[in-house]
Amino acid sequence: AQKVTQAQTEISVVEKEDVTLDCVYETRDTTYYLFWYKQPPSGELVFLIRRNSFDEQNEISGRYSWNFQKSTSSFNFTITASQVVDSAVYFCALSEAGRAGGTSYGKLTFGQGTILTVHP
Amino acid sequence: GAVVSQHPSRVICKSGTSVKIECRSLDFQATTMFWYRQFPKQSLMLMATSNEGSKATYEQGVEKDKFLINHASLTLSTLTVTSAHPEDSSFYICSASGVAGYLRDIQYFGAGTRLSVL
Repeated sequence: AQKVTQAQTEISVVEKEDVTLDCVYETRDTTYYLFWYKQPPSGELVFLIRRNSFDEQNEISGRYSWNFQKSTSSFNFTITASQVVDSAVYFCALSEAGRAGGTSYGKLTFGQGTILTVHP
Repeated sequence: GAVVSQHPSRVICKSGTSVKIECRSLDFQATTMFWYRQFPKQSLMLMATSNEGSKATYEQGVEKDKFLINHASLTLSTLTVTSAHPEDSSFYICSASGVAGYLRDIQYFGAGTRLSVL
């Protein structure tokens, strides 16, 4: 069975601070995808990134960066110079990347989410 | 690209009535749509997976007759909460994944529907 753990329930920082959101996963699949989604107060989940299990390169997109460490089954997300607009719930998720049409294909296993509050 | 529209955003209904929620992929064809339920300050709970033209696959513990899902086209899926009761009050979110390319393995989410049953 797949499992995603986001140990940090809530994080509070002051604007311009850097913050890292932790994500640890468990899966028996050799091929899988990892995701991060942002859920602002409006409720809609916004896709941030997808990472294939074969691609361990770290990625940077503006103030966002992701560190994928297969050896420790972690996929951490760092926001540099945080802003008030970054305040949201962030979800890490895992999906099987096997045969399309399989019963579990594409299903996401979500972590419990981390509530990030950035204070001015 | 990859926009998913969900309607209505909020609905208040009386106990015993049925409520229909629509989920549309606006700029891509969605072979698979997913329906989730989210309780306050909790993660998303998958209710069912629907593929265009076939019956939805429900997760364990989700009542098929209570939550009717129809995925009639590659751009539209509906969730009908039948004979709604106060315990059905929740935030319902749909997502869609596309036919090909980078859209195939990514779920794009709608804005959610907040259902309140009186």
